[in-house]
Amino acid sequence: GAVVSQHPSRVICKSGTSVKIECRSLDFQATTMFWYRQFPKKSLMLMATSNEGSKATYEQGVEKDKFLINHASLTLSTLTVTSAHPEDSSFYICSAQGWQGKRDEQYFGPGTRLTVT
Amino acid sequence: AQRVTQPEKLLSVFKGAPVELKCNYSYSGSPELFWYVQYSRQRLQLLLRHISRESIKGFTADLNKGETSFHLKKPFAQEEDSAMYYCALNLGTYKYIFGTGTRLKVLA
Repeated sequence: GAVVSQHPSRVICKSGTSVKIECRSLDFQATTMFWYRQFPKKSLMLMATSNEGSKATYEQGVEKDKFLINHASLTLSTLTVTSAHPEDSSFYICSAQGWQGKRDEQYFGPGTRLTVT
Repeated sequence: AQRVTQPEKLLSVFKGAPVELKCNYSYSGSPELFWYVQYSRQRLQLLLRHISRESIKGFTADLNKGETSFHLKKPFAQEEDSAMYYCALNLGTYKYIFGTGTRLKVLA
């Protein structure tokens, strides 16, 4: 089956620093990768959609200068939270979409818990 | 506006009882709907999609365009069905909208 990994799984950083989260599709090429943010007891909020080699498309209300997304290859996308603040603490989940047989499905990573102190 | 609504945050049923997780959507285009499941300490994974018209782990979901609903059903709940279930709408432009999720607890 399709596997998507995220690294790190947990990260604690100080306010004002930047942190990078990697999302990799391990056994398939992802045409598109998505970044979500999950708030406690709330739904997944789509932050941005990225395609390899092109700029990410950000959802309304998501600051592109704060949440930098780089989709370097068909198997790797990174999310960098710049100048992190405590309110950025959240669970960030990526997903990758690619062809698996005849189905174009979205496969999720395990998520990254970010805590900003 | 496009929206996915899951009215129940928590649904508790006894083992062997029927279960229905509600999902309503708002979308003017042709909807593509999914159910995702997240078991404890596991990642989110696709359970089923409406275009497949399949039954996965005994669950089925029928798209009702008249009622704009895509409720998830299972005739006999099992304890291992306890999980968080999310209904999602694909707008067809690589954009997914998720509902707030329903936590299903199947009691022994």
